[in-house]
Amino acid sequence: AQKITQTQPGMFVQEKEAVTLDCTYDTSDQSYGLFWYKQPSSGEMIFLIYQGSYDEQNATEGRYSLNFQKARKSANLVISASQLGDSAMYFCAMREFPSEGGSEKLVFGKGMKLTVNP
Amino acid sequence: NAGVMQNPRHLVRRRGQEARLRCSPMKGHSHVYWYRQLPEEGLKFMVYLQKENIIDESGMPKERFSAEFPKEGPSILRIQQVVRGDSAAYFCASSPGVGMNTEAFFGQGTRLTVV
Repeated sequence: AQKITQTQPGMFVQEKEAVTLDCTYDTSDQSYGLFWYKQPSSGEMIFLIYQGSYDEQNATEGRYSLNFQKARKSANLVISASQLGDSAMYFCAMREFPSEGGSEKLVFGKGMKLTVNP
Repeated sequence: NAGVMQNPRHLVRRRGQEARLRCSPMKGHSHVYWYRQLPEEGLKFMVYLQKENIIDESGMPKERFSAEFPKEGPSILRIQQVVRGDSAAYFCASSPGVGMNTEAFFGQGTRLTVV
């Protein structure tokens, strides 16, 4: 079963508008962490934001915020005031802490491509 | 404080040759992860290592692939007898330990092309 689902293959947004990138996850663990990474065309993976399963407040980092809905198992990334430089692939990832077996590796979704138009 | 260093950035190998990819984690980090990214796809977990130990290799192909993280020196991902299907970007990430909010810092990747 897929652990991280990103259903939007691609999105277009006008510069200065806000955009929401969807991410749903599947886990039976109580302790886990959710991450968003950005991969521009140059290829590097850039950490954006983190949300812990026990965090009561939604995480925010500058123009990035994470809309965490634990009951729905969703962790959507919201980018406010889009900039041309935000055009990139965006990946949602989860780190589980399985109580039995497995390891605490990061598991990634397939990503989605955001294009910001001037 | 240098980030995660991967080399080479680009590697071209002929079918049947060996590919050796190197990853130096950030200073103080003892946990290393290797991921493979095929074109237009996400990152697929391959292996998780701590110094001198393989913790989780559930994502490693059973043949031709091996990884190590010796006490001294970088982590090495070795692919023997490469085939065209091995062409991909290989990313290494490191973290200082484990914990829910422990971020994994990524290197810039090694792009392997098998011709």
